Parts: sequence; structure tokens; C-alpha cells
Amino acid sequence: SYVLTQSPSVSVAPGETARITCGGDNIGEKSVHWYQQRPGQAPVLVIYYDKDRPSGIPERFSGSNSGSTATLTISRVEGGDEADYYCQVWDHTSGVFGGGTKLTVL
Amino acid sequence: QLQLQESGPGQVKPSETLSLTCSVSGGSIGSTTYYWGWLRQPPGKGLEWIGSLYYGGGSYDNPSLKSRVTISVDTSKNQFSLKMNSVTAADTAMYYCARIPEGFINWIDPWGQGILVTVAS
Repeated sequence: SYVLTQSPSVSVAPGETARITCGGDNIGEKSVHWYQQRPGQAPVLVIYYDKDRPSGIPERFSGSNSGSTATLTISRVEGGDEADYYCQVWDHTSGVFGGGTKLTVL
Repeated sequence: QLQLQESGPGQVKPSETLSLTCSVSGGSIGSTTYYWGWLRQPPGKGLEWIGSLYYGGGSYDNPSLKSRVTISVDTSKNQFSLKMNSVTAADTAMYYCARIPEGFINWIDPWGQGILVTVAS
């Protein structure tokens, strides 16, 4: 089965840029989606098809995907961005998630 | 705006069957352009895919759940359901229902708010 690997945690100061990576075998050939999950809340889609933003998601959120790594980039980080972030792809007919990265805003 | 709401028992006994329902509002579950799925998240852990159902087509579940899962749809009530048999403590989790655009390359959105199910005697 397909495996996605995320670093457990990332810490940045307000105003800085956070980069959250998602590794997988030839992940660049798949469509990657990213979800934000604040404590006690359901996940929310923040990036789909590697780099597209749903309506209502700030332009500070961007994504890329190439080779063996997909990256979610959050520019000008704010306190409200503190959350767990999950990448997701499909392996045949099953959804596959990374283990999640906890973003801490210092 | 499409909304999903999970409902069902908050506690199930070991070896019994977990049964949850997802009520859909703001859209028709009979649409052939979407799949309807279930996911879960054990306390303090990450997200896990359970399975999905395509109205008028098949259902697809996570092979790791060893065929313990049945997903069905009730178009008269605009609801879809999850049944998971032979539950153990490892099945204790927050369970979410969600919508997925047709085709196994797409995003999962929106999600329901989730329902916590505890497996305990």
C-alpha cells in the first residue's frame, strides 16, 4: 500500500513562512490535497490538486508537488494557522493520508 | 451549501456492530457526480480512510479493515450509513462522513463535524 510521510512538527514565528512536506514514492505523479485541522474541529480542505485553493482560503496558502515530495507553504504565518495539517492522495480506490504535521506558531 | 451531520450511538460494546448515519442537506445524495465517504480518527492520532459509496455504483472500503465495513445509501432520507462489525477497542475514534467528487483523484470536502464512538463494555 502507498505510504505518505510527514514530519511530526514544524514551528515558526508569526510573520515567517512555514513549509510542511509530504513524501511519497513518485508522489509528483499523483494529485495531492491538503487539510487543516484545528483542535476539536473537523478537517478543512486548504489545497487541492497540488496547488489550487478553495474559495475562502487565504492566498498565503500555496502548494507544490514534484518528484517524491509535495509541499504546503504558508506565508506570513498567523496565530490562527496553528493546527495539524494532513496531506492526502488516492491509492486505487482508497484514500491515503500522511501522519499529519503539527504547526506551532511561536 | 452542502452540510453533512453524523449521528448514532456514542458507545458500542466489543464484538458488536457499530452503526452510524450521515444526513446530507443542501444537496442530493442521488447525484452521480459524487462519492460519499466515511473516515475516522482515533484519539490523538491521524486520519484513516474507511470507505466510500457511489450512488448507482459500487462501494469501496479500506482493505486493512478486512471486509468488516458496509456502506449503504437511503435516497428517500438523503442519508448514507456505515456499519462496522466485530468492533474492538482499536475502533474507538471520531468518525467523519464526507463528500468526494467522482473519480479517485479528487479532494474530500466538505466533512461532517464528526461523532465520537467509544468501544467499551
